[in-house]
Amino acid sequence: AQKITQTQPGMFVQEKEAVTLDCTYDTSDQSYGLFWYKQPSSGEMIFLIYQGSYDEQNATEGRYSLNFQKARKSANLVISASQLGDSAMYFCAMRDFQGGSEKLVFGKGTKLTVNP
Amino acid sequence: GAGVSQSPSNKVTEKGKDVELRCDPISGHTALYWYRQSLGQGLEFLIYFQGNSAPDKSGLPSDRFSAERTGGSVSTLTIQRTQQEDSAVYLCASSFAGGPYNEQFFGPGTRLTVL
Repeated sequence: AQKITQTQPGMFVQEKEAVTLDCTYDTSDQSYGLFWYKQPSSGEMIFLIYQGSYDEQNATEGRYSLNFQKARKSANLVISASQLGDSAMYFCAMRDFQGGSEKLVFGKGTKLTVNP
Repeated sequence: GAGVSQSPSNKVTEKGKDVELRCDPISGHTALYWYRQSLGQGLEFLIYFQGNSAPDKSGLPSDRFSAERTGGSVSTLTIQRTQQEDSAVYLCASSFAGGPYNEQFFGPGTRLTVL
């Protein structure tokens, strides 16, 4: 079974600085996909970025990039030039296929606070 | 376009009552998912639909929970004889298998409080 570990319950960053949110994963699959979602206080989960296990380059989407280290089984999210609106919960997730079913397995999340 | 919608946004019920939670996925999305988010358990997968079929119902926490999907669109999650431990936010998501990432798009959730 897939497992996602996020070891930082909370992180603080100054506005305009970069921040890295950690994510490690455990899987025996050779092909897999990793996701990061943002959950603001409004509650809706917002897809940020995706990394496939066979992707040769680290994924980037605007101010978001993924530091993917396959051998270490880590997929850290880097947010550059933090903004006040980045304050939210961030979840790392992995797609899991089992028994004909598909789901996302989530980590516990990291609460990011951006200070002015 | 319209995103995933869920209703009601909030539901307060008494222990022992039945509740129905509704999810309207994004039009054209064939896959639909239900998750539960609570403080102690994080985000838990409940059930997955491909079309109207649910190949695996093992994520449902007890036989008081059931879900159906009709017409490959709207889904209803029903909780019978609610218990206080059912209090949580219930999130619905949908996805389109033909996309580059097949990412799941989430609705705003239904906050269920069982008194």
